[in-house]
Amino acid sequence: DTAVSQTPKYLVTQMGNDKSIKCEQNLGHDTMYWYKQDSKKFLKIMFSYNNKELIINETVPNRFSPKSPDKAHLNLHINSLELGDSAVYFCASSQLRAGGYYNEQFFGPGTRLTVL
Amino acid sequence: GDSVTQMEGPVTLSEEAFLTINCTYTATGYPSLFWYVQYPGEGLQLLLKATKADDKGSNKGFEATYRKETTSFHLEKGSVQVSDSAVYFCALSDQNTGGFKTIFGAGTRLFVKA
Repeated sequence: DTAVSQTPKYLVTQMGNDKSIKCEQNLGHDTMYWYKQDSKKFLKIMFSYNNKELIINETVPNRFSPKSPDKAHLNLHINSLELGDSAVYFCASSQLRAGGYYNEQFFGPGTRLTVL
Repeated sequence: GDSVTQMEGPVTLSEEAFLTINCTYTATGYPSLFWYVQYPGEGLQLLLKATKADDKGSNKGFEATYRKETTSFHLEKGSVQVSDSAVYFCALSDQNTGGFKTIFGAGTRLFVKA
């Protein structure tokens, strides 16, 4: 079974459209994340949810809206897509260890978004 | 704020060569340190970790030692293989951020030639 899965794997769409990416983890983790990876492989955190509560919200345009219906799912909805949104989006999950600082993350396979 | 700096790539080596990818960090607390690897077309996966000073993380022939005095966590492998070609990310997780946020370096692409 895939630990962290994302759908779709590829997403090609026109500027101005609205799209969603779904993420599910079956590891029983309590924390989930969305990252954006640009063409130079630079990885930037966008959001993090802990037990369905938003705990990290980086400087991301409000066209991006995460939703966590339960601990195992974290979806990303993007409104009014722009050319600059083209990137690979990764979902990840983790379970905080005792002390709170140990934070090994498990990544999904990524969703390659291309905005035309 | 916390940050991670790693050597720019790409790094190109011949098979069986020795690999070093440098990584230094700044952190206000006592972070855990990680190396992640990303193979082409895949997500990142944890390669190794160290949670306190002088710890050595190791996996698949790769090693890195948590050096608090030099704030470094350099990745090494004695003999690389073509299958090691990937992008390597150094990262830290700091308890001062509640452990929720992991800071990643910019990534170093490694090419290994047969």
